[in-house]
Amino acid sequence: QVQLVESGGGLVKPGGSLRLSCAASGFTFSDYYMSWIRQAPGKGLEWVSYISSSGSTIYYADSVKGRFTISRDNAKNSLYLQMNSLRAEDTAVYYCARLGNWNADYWGQGTLVTVSS
Amino acid sequence: DIQMTQSPSSLSASVGDRVTITCQASQDISNYLNWYQQKPGKAPKLLIYDASNLETGVPSRFSGSGSGTDFTFTISSLQPEDIATYYCQQYDNLPALTFGGGTKVEIK
Repeated sequence: QVQLVESGGGLVKPGGSLRLSCAASGFTFSDYYMSWIRQAPGKGLEWVSYISSSGSTIYYADSVKGRFTISRDNAKNSLYLQMNSLRAEDTAVYYCARLGNWNADYWGQGTLVTVSS
Repeated sequence: DIQMTQSPSSLSASVGDRVTITCQASQDISNYLNWYQQKPGKAPKLLIYDASNLETGVPSRFSGSGSGTDFTFTISSLQPEDIATYYCQQYDNLPALTFGGGTKVEIK
């Protein structure tokens, strides 16, 4: 069965950095686009970034462009999100999700990132 | 950018009621719309893709319809386990993928 397990969340000060990881299993990871979607406390969903199966196509929401970097290692079945220059408004649960036909057909359980001094 | 407006933002209904949620796009998105269910404290789950197609394993009381700018998500007979927030999501305006603001469904 498809499993996505995020890790790397935590408390970080404004301006700091954090790297999220997502370990995938149960499907051919290298066949799928993958994405990061976040949800601020008590708020709705925001698509943060996605990356094509080969890594050649990448999208970032305007809110994180220039600060976040998505990457993947198909040999390790892993997805990453490097988050730099973090702001209070980046505080959210970050979900790793498999991208089907432009839908998120499988999601991880999420990892909480808190940006606070 | 395409804006997705869901209504209502919340609703309260009785078990067995028919529940309808609407999602309006700021421009024509054909049928490029998906619906998700998010139960409290859980990750979202894909219910309907391409406006009207039920994801495998999703109960048939859930349905979706519409095209262009106006879409409807329906629960034909509300069950206690359907308590959740429901989100629409468009994918017409690639590369951007946009969610609606969500509709919280509660039991009366």
